[in-house]
Amino acid sequence: NAGVTQTPKFQVLKTGQSMTLQCAQDMNHEYMSWYRQDPGMGLRLIHYSVGAGITDQGEVPNGYNVSRSTTEDFPLRLLSAAPSQTSVYFCASSYRAFGVAGEGDEQFFGPGTRLTVL
Amino acid sequence: AQTVTQSQPEMSVQEAETVTLSCTYDTSESDYYLFWYKQPPSRQMILVIRQEAYKQQNATENRFSVNFQKAAKSFSLKISDSQLGDAAMYFCASFGASGTYKYIFGTGTRLKVLA
Repeated sequence: NAGVTQTPKFQVLKTGQSMTLQCAQDMNHEYMSWYRQDPGMGLRLIHYSVGAGITDQGEVPNGYNVSRSTTEDFPLRLLSAAPSQTSVYFCASSYRAFGVAGEGDEQFFGPGTRLTVL
Repeated sequence: AQTVTQSQPEMSVQEAETVTLSCTYDTSESDYYLFWYKQPPSRQMILVIRQEAYKQQNATENRFSVNFQKAAKSFSLKISDSQLGDAAMYFCASFGASGTYKYIFGTGTRLKVLA
């Protein structure tokens, strides 16, 4: 298993450009999520998905779009990049969102994407 | 709404000593889980320990244990016999399992281990 993969690892954008951060997992996980990590702010939830075809907003969704057409993939789109979106972005997945506690509730994280918007 | 608060931006501990990292949380969910994650300089997020809120028994994983006080909404992490490899950022997180299905993280505590 490759686990959770993210591409690219680094990206520099100019203000106003759009791009898609890719996230994929090969563990058949139902739940996937995107976070941004900024100094002193911890990880903040951008969007999440409890299964294919279902997405919802997290704490800081503005300026980002997501879709979940397959179980494996959960891309994050920046519509018009702004300097305030300079951050490290993490994708994560877990087996399921519903049901009985157990091994299914641990999140597995990708290696992160460092994005700089000039 | 869920909130997670870590009031200690930085902590230091001598090698082989014990340290406790604090975390308080607030949630309206009837079913939730609590986690501690470790982030070393490599930036990779690693699960340290997990606690199901319906369980009264505190979780333990080798040198790591928690003190879960449900009524006080407190979830502290104790690291015993600290090792140099424990130096990292530690994040407390909650997951709402009965409605929001969101993971919410605290702002983190940077742990330094002194040789």
